[in-house]
Amino acid sequence: RKEVEQDPGPFNVPEGATVAFNCTYSNSASQSFFWYRQDCRKEPKLLMSVYSSGNEDGRFTAQLNRASQYISLLIRDSKLSDSATYLCVVTPYSNDYKLSFGAGTTVTVRA
Amino acid sequence: DVKVTQSSRYLVKRTGEKVFLECVQDMDHENMFWYRQDPGLGLRLIYFSYDVKMKEKGDIPEGYSVSREKKERFSLILESASTNQTSMYLCASSFRGEGSYEQYFGPGTRLTVT
Repeated sequence: RKEVEQDPGPFNVPEGATVAFNCTYSNSASQSFFWYRQDCRKEPKLLMSVYSSGNEDGRFTAQLNRASQYISLLIRDSKLSDSATYLCVVTPYSNDYKLSFGAGTTVTVRA
Repeated sequence: DVKVTQSSRYLVKRTGEKVFLECVQDMDHENMFWYRQDPGLGLRLIYFSYDVKMKEKGDIPEGYSVSREKKERFSLILESASTNQTSMYLCASSFRGEGSYEQYFGPGTRLTVT
């Protein structure tokens, strides 16, 4: 079983729509959770960390559900520039700098 | 701004050749990583280094080796390239401090082995 699993999509949404997607992780001991964003033919970049209480960064909201071992990302008022692949990232062990990456969820925002 | 650079954006090599991929970071990061990224599989860790001359195997080290002689430079070596090593290779770096898990990536090297 993969450590991090994501629905690959693609999610095709019109501008202004809300889109949400989840990822699941297999190791219940995982400590830290992130969403990275990867534009086409570019390198991944940190979008936001995911905290237990949930957190927002502008139009982006991340949630963590430890009991069910999933994290979610919601994008409100989608912009064309939000088109990207969103990578779910987990640290499988505490005090470990290694990250486990999901294969990514592709979002395409159309005009 | 953190900058991670990789020696080539595109590389074409023949089966059996020895291949060197170089990565340099300018932020004095202790940790450096090599990943490969393949469609549907995501990023998979090949090797990791947390200090000069230190290295740890990642999830898929077979067929690869690494070298870290200087803090800013981390090299990935394919001793004898094979077609199944055709992939996008990404280098990353991060601080070694509590909670410092953000990794900064280079632009990637797309390697084709024919």
